Amino acid sequence: SQKIEQNSEALNIQEGKTATLTCNYTNYSPAYLQWYRQDPGRGPVFLLLIRENEKEKRKERLKVTFDTTLKQSLFHITASQPADSATYLCALPSSGGYQKVTFGTGTKLQVIP
Amino acid sequence: GAGVSQSPSNKVTEKGKDVELRCDPISGHTALYWYRQSLGQGLEFLIYFQGNSAPDKSGLPSDRFSAERTGESVSTLTIQRTQQEDSAVYLCASSFRQGPYEQYFGPGTRLTVT
Repeated sequence: SQKIEQNSEALNIQEGKTATLTCNYTNYSPAYLQWYRQDPGRGPVFLLLIRENEKEKRKERLKVTFDTTLKQSLFHITASQPADSATYLCALPSSGGYQKVTFGTGTKLQVIP
Repeated sequence: GAGVSQSPSNKVTEKGKDVELRCDPISGHTALYWYRQSLGQGLEFLIYFQGNSAPDKSGLPSDRFSAERTGESVSTLTIQRTQQEDSAVYLCASSFRQGPYEQYFGPGTRLTVT
């Protein structure tokens, strides 16, 4: 069955460093992959989408890579700030649908001042 | 413009009662999704509406759960005979029909079944 894995352990990182979060998947051939941010008590907020034919996507301090051979996406936040502290979710299109996605369980990032 | 809105923001109900949760998507968004998120857990897909197509109900956990959508606007999620395990945050999201399919989420309804 399809499976999405994100590190369930919280990631603690010093302010100013680069945070790297991982999303691994199995039994998928996704046409794209999305990353969302979720703050406590709020709904997720879309950050980036990367398509299968794209190796890398950037947006301000964010960078996403997509390796369809390794079945992995890496999400980087450079020059991290305490305001970046949140849970980050990856999402892939569900089998049988292009628009409907399945979300990973997320990784909690804590940026320490 | 206005984002996705949900009501009520909090709902406390007694076990066995029925509840209705409402979602107002962003105007022009043809796709609407309902998810459930239990404390400390990921997002669990419940149901997906796309325009006038038949909804994808594959995520509904039991026949106590149902949802309706009026055209491409408001949606209502109904839970009948609520159980304590139904306690969770219920999130609604909407998106455009065309890519990149980013979903815009509402603030959620926190349901507590006592």
